Amino acid sequence: KAGVTQTPRYLIKTRGQQVTLSCSPISGHRSVSWYQQTPGQGLQFLFEYFSETQRNKGNFPGRFSGRQFSNSRSEMNVSTLELGDSALYLCASSLTQGGIYEQYFGPGTRLTVT
Amino acid sequence: AQSVTQPDIHITVSEGASLELRCNYSYGATPYLFWYVQSPGQGLQLLLKYFSGDTLVQGIKGFEAEFKRSQSSFNLRKPSVHWSDAAEYFCAVAYSRGAGNKLTFGGGTRVLVKP
Repeated sequence: KAGVTQTPRYLIKTRGQQVTLSCSPISGHRSVSWYQQTPGQGLQFLFEYFSETQRNKGNFPGRFSGRQFSNSRSEMNVSTLELGDSALYLCASSLTQGGIYEQYFGPGTRLTVT
Repeated sequence: AQSVTQPDIHITVSEGASLELRCNYSYGATPYLFWYVQSPGQGLQLLLKYFSGDTLVQGIKGFEAEFKRSQSSFNLRKPSVHWSDAAEYFCAVAYSRGAGNKLTFGGGTRVLVKP
């Protein structure tokens, strides 16, 4: 099976712009979670989508949003980019049917905000 | 609020020596525990998980971890380290069955392997 894929792998944006990142989960996985990784804050949970519904949300401002499509692919959007949004954004997929299952991570999208 | 602590930020170990990485969590209920490894520029790879049952769990790449409820710990071990084990290791915990798959991560331990 193919793993979790994320596009693009690298992105450079300017402060104030918006950005959309894409994640394709492992085939058959219906849960997609997003995490932000920075040197200062480490790995932080952004949100989780299951069956096109946001099921869980971390402590991030409303500039961070996401959605999931009927084929389980997910996108996250960050509007009005700030320098502090520079990070590695990781997507993870899981088989979850309502319980807790292991999550499989993609390679990440490295976002640099200048 | 739940938290995960990895007390060691950096560990240097000689190739062939044993390795133990510490992880402590804080929460009253039984957690679901994971260890992940991240090589430079890569995503996270799952090494092993503990959900219930036998408190000593085996993972990939020769790693094992032991869940100790009395110490709120889930330490990762490997008897003999290879140069390819140089990476950053993250302990993670999930708590709420039925409430989604939110993982809380520790700060990570960077492992350097000396030849």
